Amino acid sequence: DTEVTQTPKHLVMGMTNKKSLKCEQHMGHRAMYWYKQKAKKPPELMFVYSYEKLSINESVPSRFSPECPNSSLLNLHLHALQPEDSALYLCASSLRHLRDSPLHFGNGTRLTVT
Amino acid sequence: EDKVVQSPLSLVVHEGDTVTLNCSYEVTNFRSLLWYKQEKKAPTFLFMLTSSGIEKKSGRLSSILDKKELFSILNITATQTGDSAVYLCAVEAFGNEKLTFGTGTRLTIIP
Repeated sequence: DTEVTQTPKHLVMGMTNKKSLKCEQHMGHRAMYWYKQKAKKPPELMFVYSYEKLSINESVPSRFSPECPNSSLLNLHLHALQPEDSALYLCASSLRHLRDSPLHFGNGTRLTVT
Repeated sequence: EDKVVQSPLSLVVHEGDTVTLNCSYEVTNFRSLLWYKQEKKAPTFLFMLTSSGIEKKSGRLSSILDKKELFSILNITATQTGDSAVYLCAVEAFGNEKLTFGTGTRLTIIP
């Protein structure tokens, strides 16, 4: 088990649904990340929060909306997704934003959009 | 654009064998190279390498970086079935603010 906790583990949603993915860490890390991983591909960066402020948005469609309520929590709000958005969504954290600080990943949420 | 290439793409060996996984990179303003192991879900951190020629070791796993030739290797000795996983290499560059991942090497250990 990792020290980064993601919920839910699995999610099936329709294209008109609104859902949220949650991520929590209590390691005192000040940078948190969302990655998307398709089958047999490496993780692709979506968003980076550094000290609770959004510092990187990798041109992600607006149907994905990140939120960082505090330094321990990271949410990803989903609305009007497409079937091609089905993937493993990984949350990660690091002590600081990169700068010789390795990422610690959660186990991910496996999302299926029907 | 930063680029990370891993080889081989997949590898099947018998338990007890030694394997070497390769990672080459083209990165402007290289900062560090990281190795991760991904079994079914979360990639787990193995090593971070920043200096050439200094081997990092953890049990049966070891890794070394060559900044002149722009590559790193990950060695696993006396492999076990629990070593079966995808091994990901990623590099970080100064001023880029994100990790660039390779496509990974899928390692399968046959009992």
